Amino acid sequence: QQPVQSPQAVILREGEDAVINCSSSKALYSVHWYRQKHGEAPVFLMILLKGGEQKGHEKISASFNEKKQQSSLYLTASQLSYSGTYFCGTDTYSGGGADGLTFGKGTHLIIQP
Amino acid sequence: SQTIHQWPATLVQPVGSPLSLECTVEGTSNPNLYWYRQAAGRGLQLLFYSVGIGQISSEVPQNLSASRPQDRQFILSSKKLLLSDSGFYLCACQGARYYEQYFGPGTRLTVT
Repeated sequence: QQPVQSPQAVILREGEDAVINCSSSKALYSVHWYRQKHGEAPVFLMILLKGGEQKGHEKISASFNEKKQQSSLYLTASQLSYSGTYFCGTDTYSGGGADGLTFGKGTHLIIQP
Repeated sequence: SQTIHQWPATLVQPVGSPLSLECTVEGTSNPNLYWYRQAAGRGLQLLFYSVGIGQISSEVPQNLSASRPQDRQFILSSKKLLLSDSGFYLCACQGARYYEQYFGPGTRLTVT
């Protein structure tokens, strides 16, 4: 079952904050976040493991609520380089996701100067 | 860290023609490998994954097939391409620490 991402798209001014949500109908072991620039391959940002752990990467952080089967990605004081499409990928097995991830449809983020 | 190579980078093929996309990985041994497809403006769809030589699992029924003849080589094939096979094909390797996915540069396939 494909996770649901919201919003589908968001336009921000440089310096503004954004939140991207990822929701699953299945119990999750981990949630992965990726950013894809136009015409390029997705780039791994971070992984959230079962346990409600919150991680950070520069001014990008994320949380994982396993009870609600949800994850949120927080972009603080957005920079022009943050523009792109953000995908969450979910893993429902404790075996480490050897069978791959199920990705959401993506959230398009546009940062304007 | 691992490096993933894919070729060709772009490909234009007529309907009904065969397909062979290659992925090779450097910097790791016995990796879990994956083929994903991304249709224009869409998300990533897992097609195949492999946990070792000769071991292929398919996620969706289709006219594509995959093979893993060597530890660090993963091949995506088709005998007869369909228009719906157009898309951006990404090979991925699973990380060793947190099972994250690292993607290759991709092959953009257009079936005409």
